[in-house]
Amino acid sequence: SQQGEEDPQALSIQEGENATMNCSYKTSINNLQWYRQNSGRGLVHLILIRSNEREKHSGRLRVTLDTSKKSSSLLITASRAADTASYFCATDAAGQNFVFGPGTRLSVLP
Amino acid sequence: DGGITQSPKYLFRKEGQNVTLSCEQNLNHDAMYWYRQDPGQGLRLIYYSQIVNDFQKGDIAEGYSVSREKKESFPLTVTSAQKNPTAFYLCASNQLAGTGELFFGEGSRLTVL
Repeated sequence: SQQGEEDPQALSIQEGENATMNCSYKTSINNLQWYRQNSGRGLVHLILIRSNEREKHSGRLRVTLDTSKKSSSLLITASRAADTASYFCATDAAGQNFVFGPGTRLSVLP
Repeated sequence: DGGITQSPKYLFRKEGQNVTLSCEQNLNHDAMYWYRQDPGQGLRLIYYSQIVNDFQKGDIAEGYSVSREKKESFPLTVTSAQKNPTAFYLCASNQLAGTGELFFGEGSRLTVL
């Protein structure tokens, strides 16, 4: 079974609005990472949050991690049309490889 | 520039043929990975290698083979035994020490005719 599950599966918003995506996982982790994928392209690393961190910022990105609920959220503020992409969370646990969820498809409408 | 290069970008194959996808990295990374991505799904691990001349099966290795003769190269062969090979294939690499951030190639789309 998959370690990470993103929610929602798809999200449409207007430019300028904030976008929030959630990721849930099942077992204890070392780190949780978020990646972005433009259609037909490879994935690009966005941000990593360690299991002992609760919040992290990078530009317009804000990631939170709640290990008690085994969940993370990715917030993109002041979204732009160029943010249209699929977003994946990936978790890694001790001795295991990364496990990716099915992703959230974000559409930012101009 | 440093990065991962996958080729070809698009590949068509007839049933019963083996095809090999190329993956080269100049990041001096120890580990390399092959993932398969189907529409609307996440990435599934096919094979990975942490050191030259050694590799391990991932979650969906059946019908695939790999080699790691050089640190920079990790080719994937999709054999005729793979029953549903049409998919988008992604190669990635990372440094084992550190955060483990994965660097991805641009992918290869394989279509079986």
